Amino acid sequence: DSGVTQTPKHLITATGQRVTLRCSPRSGDLSVYWYQQSLDQGLQFLIQYYNGEERAKGNILERFSAQQFPDLHSELNLSSLELGDSALYFCASSARDQTGLPQYFGPGTRLTVL
Amino acid sequence: DQQVKQNSPSLSVQEGRISILNCDYTNSMFDYFLWYKKYPAEGPTFLISISSIKDKNEDGRFTVFLNKSAKHLSLHIVPSQPGDSAVYFCAASGYSGAGSYQLTFGKGTKLSVIP
Repeated sequence: DSGVTQTPKHLITATGQRVTLRCSPRSGDLSVYWYQQSLDQGLQFLIQYYNGEERAKGNILERFSAQQFPDLHSELNLSSLELGDSALYFCASSARDQTGLPQYFGPGTRLTVL
Repeated sequence: DQQVKQNSPSLSVQEGRISILNCDYTNSMFDYFLWYKKYPAEGPTFLISISSIKDKNEDGRFTVFLNKSAKHLSLHIVPSQPGDSAVYFCAASGYSGAGSYQLTFGKGTKLSVIP
């Protein structure tokens, strides 16, 4: 158990809908990262938050957004969903040291868009 | 453009033998490398890492070797055990500005350890 929690574990929805994925980092970790893993792909970095502020953006679509709240949990919002958004979404957290490594991953949320 | 490549999608090894998983990278700015193990329906689990200033790091049965000139790293598992059967991801980190160190992942190698 990495100490990172994600809810829900599974999510099934229809095209055009909006969903919210939730992540709670390990106790004391200030950084939260979101990754997407599509079929047969490695993990693709989406976005990082550090202590409530956006720190870095990766390959995140404009239809996706995220935020980190004062209690350090984070939410990833996916809107106008398309079939291609079906994937595993992982959240990771890391401590406050300089490199932010290693990152510890949650169990993921499997999103299915029908 | 894949900056981190794991060219072997799968690898089968007999229990007790050595497993060698390989990873190549193209970005010379990467300065930290990590290996993660992933079981089905679970998130990636951190295994071992190595800084670019080192060429070897060992932790129990796991050893990571880094060849900077070749931009190549490998993970050795000795001896291999059936519980090691999983997908192994190589990841690389480099400073990406504003205090952020992003991880770039390979596509993974599925290791099967045969009893």
